[in-house]
Amino acid sequence: QQQVKQSPQSLIVQKGGISIINCAYENTAFDYFPWYQQFPGKGPALLIAIRPDVSEKKEGRFTISFNKSAKQFSLHIMDSQPGDSATYFCAARGYGGSQGNLIFGKGTKLSVKP
Amino acid sequence: DTEVTQTPKHLVMGMTNKKSLKCEQHMGHRAMYWYKQKAKKPPELMFVYSYEKLSINESVPSRFSPECPNSSLLNLHLHALQPEDSALYLCASSQEWVQFFGPGTRLTVL
Repeated sequence: QQQVKQSPQSLIVQKGGISIINCAYENTAFDYFPWYQQFPGKGPALLIAIRPDVSEKKEGRFTISFNKSAKQFSLHIMDSQPGDSATYFCAARGYGGSQGNLIFGKGTKLSVKP
Repeated sequence: DTEVTQTPKHLVMGMTNKKSLKCEQHMGHRAMYWYKQKAKKPPELMFVYSYEKLSINESVPSRFSPECPNSSLLNLHLHALQPEDSALYLCASSQEWVQFFGPGTRLTVL
């Protein structure tokens, strides 16, 4: 069964620090790896995403690092702010077709302390 | 317009009620999805519509009935739900790689 394993389950970071969330997948038939940010009572919002032919992608304070050989990818949040406090889900998209079925990690609850 | 809208935001219903959740997108996306999300869990895929045809039903109980009237609209009809069906119901749409989620409907079944 295709799985995406996410860690840690929860993370506390001081304001200005670096938040790092890791994900690992078992099946090579994934072709797209998005990260979603979700605030309580809201829907998940796409934060940043990467394709497996790229090793790193940066958008502002958010960076995805991708290691294809290790089947791992991670989200780095630089200069973390209290407003970044949310639950983060990594995901992987099943290969083939335009339907884009996502397999989600279990989520990481990030708390940034002022 | 990169928005998926959902109505209502909140819904409380009894186990004998019939209600519907609505979702709309105007991004021209041809795939639309229903997800169920319980507290502190990731979204769980329920149904996928591709070009207005149901392509995936993840073994969802028949008390949930999806409908896609046109390429912009997606409904989820609810009947005889159980208290354990209380959750955040999310709609999403996609074109190729990117999947956009709506804000969700918070459903409480009494």
